[in-house]
Amino acid sequence: GAVVSQHPSRVICKSGTSVKIECRSLDFQATTMFWYRQFPKKSLMLMATSNEGSKATYEQGVEKDKFLINHASLTLSTLTVTSAHPEDSSFYICSASRLAGKLTGYEQYFGPGTRLTVT
Amino acid sequence: DAKTTQPTSMDCAEGRAANLPCNHSTISGNEYVYWYRQIHSQGPQYIIHGLKNNETNEMASLIITEDRKSSTLILPHATLRDTAVYYCIVSMDSNYQLIWGAGTKLIIKP
Repeated sequence: GAVVSQHPSRVICKSGTSVKIECRSLDFQATTMFWYRQFPKKSLMLMATSNEGSKATYEQGVEKDKFLINHASLTLSTLTVTSAHPEDSSFYICSASRLAGKLTGYEQYFGPGTRLTVT
Repeated sequence: DAKTTQPTSMDCAEGRAANLPCNHSTISGNEYVYWYRQIHSQGPQYIIHGLKNNETNEMASLIITEDRKSSTLILPHATLRDTAVYYCIVSMDSNYQLIWGAGTKLIIKP
């Protein structure tokens, strides 16, 4: 159980275009979903936290008008990179959390990531 | 900033136990210790987490010191597929954001 999918796995787009990345929790309803980006040989950097039906909370330095997050349901969140530029090229990873139990607390599961290349 | 300190890299022979240390001297009483790993170009994989008791699951064991200021992740019989970057994270709950440090690059050698 606890599978998170992302689509697409890889995307190449031209500078100035927009790209949408989907994140789905396949076998559970996610309390919260998170979006990260990761540059080569670096650790994950949190971009935003998203709860179903409410606006995402963005981390400092992340432009909310450039990285649009929509959390339409308990199993789906989307990240749209608008007016993409080459510096937006990165590995984007989503995660979803669920309550595992009263004693064990929450568990956070990650998608396989989306490799975005902007030319 | 990450609240944990881990060695940058470690080697382990295939079939042996891999012991990965983590220091978290500023951990709060309500914070859990989480371990994830990331194989190259994939999303992180949850391994195990604990509060103060030692924990074991099908993947690994987690040993937390009595003062909770450090912990050790044990992979009992390492295989080549265990080569990855291992992250130790402290957080109140993984429903909250996880702050990622640099992790330990574990290389399993034949």
